[in-house]
Amino acid sequence: KAGVTQTPRYLIKTRGQQVTLSCSPISGHRSVSWYQQTPGQGLQFLFEYFSETQRNKGNFPGRFSGRQFSNSRSEMNVSTLELGDSALYLCASSLIWGQGADGELFFGEGSRLTAL
Amino acid sequence: KNEVEQSPQNLTAQEGEFITINCSYSVGISALHWLQQHPGGGIVSLFMLSSGKKKHGRLIATINIQEKHSSLHITASHPRDSAVYICAAMNYGGSQGNLIFGKGTKLSVKP
Repeated sequence: KAGVTQTPRYLIKTRGQQVTLSCSPISGHRSVSWYQQTPGQGLQFLFEYFSETQRNKGNFPGRFSGRQFSNSRSEMNVSTLELGDSALYLCASSLIWGQGADGELFFGEGSRLTAL
Repeated sequence: KNEVEQSPQNLTAQEGEFITINCSYSVGISALHWLQQHPGGGIVSLFMLSSGKKKHGRLIATINIQEKHSSLHITASHPRDSAVYICAAMNYGGSQGNLIFGKGTKLSVKP
C-alpha cells in the first residue's frame, strides 16, 4: 500500500510569490490535514479537509489556503510569501482526523519551502 | 504557558536504559498522539490514546485523563530509538477541532 506522497520535496521561492504544495493520501483515506513546522514554533496545525470540505482550521492568516479534490488529493497554497513562511510543510492522511479507532495519522515526508 | 508541555526537552541515555518522556496538557482532549520524528523530517505515529495504556513492542504509552498527563516509556533503549518524540493533543471546542503539539523531546541513545 503506497504511503502519503508530497510534492515537491524542496522548493525555493522569492518573497511575494505564491506557492502550491500537493499531497496524495493513502488510498481510501478521505481526511487530509496540513501542518507547518519551524524551528521556533515547532509543529502547528494549518487545516483539515474531508470529502472536499474544510472542516477544521488552525490559527493562520488567510494567505494560507487549501483545497481537496474528489480523489482526496489535496493542495495547499501560500500567497504573497513572507520570509517567515520558510518551513517544512507536512500533510497527513487518515480515515478520520486524529481521533477514534480510525484516527491514526499517516504523515508524508514533507515539502521544505525556503522563502528568500 | 503552552497548552501542551513536554519534558525533558533533551534526553541522553545509554543503550539498554529505561526512558520516560512526559506530556502535560491544559485543554480538554478527545485523543492524545505520540509521534516520532527522525532527522530529515519524516514523522511516524506511535500511539493514539484517549484512556489507559497501550503497548507496542518496547514502547508503552499511558494517559491519566484526570491529571491531564501522558507518558511515553521506552524499555531496553537502542541507538535506533534516537529521534525527536512529540506529543499532540486533539482538542475539539464546539464544532472546531485543533491538534496542539508539544515542542518535542530530543532523545539520543548512546551505544
